Amino acid sequence: DAGVIQSPRHEVTEMGQEVTLRCKPISGHDYLFWYRQTMMRGLELLIYFNNNVPIDDSGMPEDRFSAKMPNASFSTLKIQPSEPRDSAVYFCASSSARGLQYEQYFGPGTRLTVT
Amino acid sequence: AQSVTQPDIHITVSEGASLELRCNYSYGATPYLFWYVQSPGQGLQLLLKYFSGDTLVQGIKGFEAEFKRSQSSFNLRKPSVHWSDAAEYFCDVGARAAGNKLTFGGGTRVLVKP
Repeated sequence: DAGVIQSPRHEVTEMGQEVTLRCKPISGHDYLFWYRQTMMRGLELLIYFNNNVPIDDSGMPEDRFSAKMPNASFSTLKIQPSEPRDSAVYFCASSSARGLQYEQYFGPGTRLTVT
Repeated sequence: AQSVTQPDIHITVSEGASLELRCNYSYGATPYLFWYVQSPGQGLQLLLKYFSGDTLVQGIKGFEAEFKRSQSSFNLRKPSVHWSDAAEYFCDVGARAAGNKLTFGGGTRVLVKP
């Protein structure tokens, strides 16, 4: 398996623009997680899905952030409008509940810079 | 709710020396415990995990960790550090009641001196 795939790897955008981050989980995994990592706040869980359904979005910072999972092999995290404080590395991870496999597998991340 | 504390933010160790990273967790039942490593500019990679059974678990890259229920700890160790072990290490805890959600510690950054 290719692992968790994220695109783009780097994104530079201007304040006020819409940003869409994409994730393809490992095939067969039924959980998908979106994290944000910054120097100040460390690794934060934003939202996670189980079987394409959002389970917990309490980590989403505000209404400017939204996430969708239209099918088992694709998810997006959208920021509209973007702000400089959204600059961070965004990670997607997936895991499987089968066989009690709770470990998460992370993608390489998307480094977002908002100017 | 579960929580994880990594008391050391930074650790500097000489190449060839031993390394121990501390991790303390808080959870009412038996947790599932993990250590991840993040090299600069990379995603997180699973080093090892504990679900049940033998409390000493072996992982990749020569790392091991010991689960001590009485101390609520899951410390990570390596007998001889290599320069490539310079990275950030995250301890985290999961629980069946939390689905597959993990709670991450704040991380420990390891610097390796030549």
